Amino acid sequence: GAGVSQSPRYKVAKRGQDVALRCDPISGHVSLFWYQQALGQGPEFLTYFQNEAQLDKSGLPSDRFFAERPEGSVSTLKIQRTQQEDSAVYLCASSLASAGAEQYFGPGTRLTVT
Amino acid sequence: DAKTTQPPSMDCAEGRAANLPCNHSTISGNEYVYWYRQIHSQGPQYIIHGLKNNETNEMASLIITEDRKSSTLILPHATLRDTAVYYCIVRVATNSGYALNFGKGTSLLVTP
Repeated sequence: GAGVSQSPRYKVAKRGQDVALRCDPISGHVSLFWYQQALGQGPEFLTYFQNEAQLDKSGLPSDRFFAERPEGSVSTLKIQRTQQEDSAVYLCASSLASAGAEQYFGPGTRLTVT
Repeated sequence: DAKTTQPPSMDCAEGRAANLPCNHSTISGNEYVYWYRQIHSQGPQYIIHGLKNNETNEMASLIITEDRKSSTLILPHATLRDTAVYYCIVRVATNSGYALNFGKGTSLLVTP
């Protein structure tokens, strides 16, 4: 079946621009996670949704980062007034339930801020 | 939160077993050990997880020591496609969710 998809796969933004990154999780998956992966590092947790509820946003690095999942399926990660330090791969993952379920990752969106 | 320690890199000859170690000496009694891998330019992929018993699936085996302070992921017959970064993760609970704390992992190179 279809896996987690993300779009766009690559995004170049000029410093100060706003960007929106989309994640389509696997159908029926309750949980959705966003991670940020800097070059040469492991992914780092940003935020977590259970259905449409954002239950944890402790990993968001600043108030320029905002995520939503209004209907409990597709999610959007928005970054306002992008900075060079925002350059990274943004990964989305979904899982069938919140507890104990393996996470399925999308291919990521590579954001480059110039 | 329990942390993990892995060697930064390892080599393995194609067809041989790859044994990837992980130390997690501060693991709590109800925390699971998860292994994921990330092939270049792809998202991470789940491999296997366990609590205290050894586990095996079609991809790998997971051996957890009796005191649970360390574990080993075994790829029984490594292929070139197994070249990837392997992450040993102790599951962390965050407000009803289970975010994964990846760390830096072990970069495994399988050579012909």
